[in-house]
Amino acid sequence: QSVLTQPPSVSAAPGQRVTISCSGSNANIGSNYVSWYQQFPGTAPKLLIYDNDKRPSGISDRFSGSKSRALATSATLAITGLQTGDEADYYCATWDSSLSIPWVFGGGTKLTVL
Amino acid sequence: EVLLMESGGAVVQPGGSLRLSCAASGFIFEDYTMHWVRQRPGKGLECISLISWDGNITRYTDSVKGRFTISRDNTRNFVYLQMNNLRPDDTALYYCSKGPGGDYWGQGALVTVSS
Repeated sequence: QSVLTQPPSVSAAPGQRVTISCSGSNANIGSNYVSWYQQFPGTAPKLLIYDNDKRPSGISDRFSGSKSRALATSATLAITGLQTGDEADYYCATWDSSLSIPWVFGGGTKLTVL
Repeated sequence: EVLLMESGGAVVQPGGSLRLSCAASGFIFEDYTMHWVRQRPGKGLECISLISWDGNITRYTDSVKGRFTISRDNTRNFVYLQMNNLRPDDTALYYCSKGPGGDYWGQGALVTVSS
């Protein structure tokens, strides 16, 4: 049971926009920055977004992150102009100092590009 | 270029021990927290241990406390995970990751616990 809740799967057609949600609590998302990772089968996770909305060098601007102002315990990854090459698993992560291991992940979301 | 390279993965019997190593290069290793993250077959990511830049602070997830020990050698740029009393549910791919936010990951070391 993950501390952060993500939908198990999302799907959309090429060219469309898709969002993936990550829901937590005041102890984690509500108090800390959120990161997002992309993982293809058989490969290591890759950092897509850090500090809620920043992209590392080399990450396409089709990927964007946000944290809700209305619901501060929720974050969202948006992918625009979907490509078949975006089909992967996506994970959110943040910190939660109330836990024995403070770096926590969501359960992951499988993105299918139809 | 930042590189992390895990080694030491193997097939081991239940109750056995294994030590994973992670060689780091391309950044000032002694400045950063390091993590071990595991991924069970077909499952998600789980941070199981982390160690502060100087090794003075270590943290473990409940399922590995008392069995796993994380350590580091800042003179050689290595982080280690000593795994004792291994169980079948420890079977996973083990990644080391650069802290604090996991901006770089190794390729993983496969640990299979089976009789």
